[in-house]
Amino acid sequence: DAGVIQSPRHEVTEMGQEVTLRCKPISGHDYLFWYRQTMMRGLELLIYFNNNVPIDDSGMPEDRFSAKMPNASFSTLKIQPSEPRDSAVYFCASSLLWVKSTDTQYFGPGTRLTVL
Amino acid sequence: GENVEQHPSTLSVQEGDSAVIKCTYSDSASNYFPWYKQELGKRPQLIIDIRSNVGEKKDQRIAVTLNKTAKHFSLHITETQPEDSAVYFCAASTGTASKLTFGTGTRLQVTL
Repeated sequence: DAGVIQSPRHEVTEMGQEVTLRCKPISGHDYLFWYRQTMMRGLELLIYFNNNVPIDDSGMPEDRFSAKMPNASFSTLKIQPSEPRDSAVYFCASSLLWVKSTDTQYFGPGTRLTVL
Repeated sequence: GENVEQHPSTLSVQEGDSAVIKCTYSDSASNYFPWYKQELGKRPQLIIDIRSNVGEKKDQRIAVTLNKTAKHFSLHITETQPEDSAVYFCAASTGTASKLTFGTGTRLQVTL
C-alpha cells in the first residue's frame, strides 16, 4: 500500500489566492482527518470525515476554509481567500475503525503552505 | 471537549540515559492513548499505544504507562540513541469516534 498521499507537497501562493490541498487516504480506511501544524499552535484537527460524511468541523478556523470528500478515495481542503496566517503544514490522515482496532491514524507526508 | 497537556516541552538527555514524557487528559471517557514520533520535516508516526484496560505496554526500548484514576500517561524511552531525537506527541481518544486530541509535543534531543 502506498500510504496516505497528499498533493502538492509544497505550495507558495499570494495572499487572496485560492488554495486547494488534496488527499488520497489508504484504501479501505473509513475515517479521514485534516490537521494543521504550526509552531505556535501545534497539531490542530480541522475536520474529519467518516464514510465520506463530515462528522466534526469545529476546528475549521473560519468560513474561508472548506473541505469535501466526494468519494472514499479523495478529499480536498480549500482555502479561499488565503491569508499569510494560513501558512502551515497541512496533514491528512486516515484510519480504519473496527472491533478491537487500535484506531491508528496514518499520516500523509503533508503539504507545506506558504502564503506571501 | 478533551484537553491533553504534555510535559516537558523540551528534553535533553545523554545517549544511553532514559527519557520520560508525561501527559494528562481531562475526559474520563478517553480510553485510547497513542504516542507519535515526528522527525524534522517528516510526518507523525505511531510508535506505541495503550488502551485503558491495560496499565503498561512495552515494545523494546519504549514503554507506556497509564494511570486512569489520575488521568495521566507517560512514555518511557530507555537506552536512548541519537536517532530517538525528534518531537513526540501524546494523544487521547474516546475510541468510538476515532478522533484524537494531541498534546503540544516534546522536543527530545539525545546528545552524544
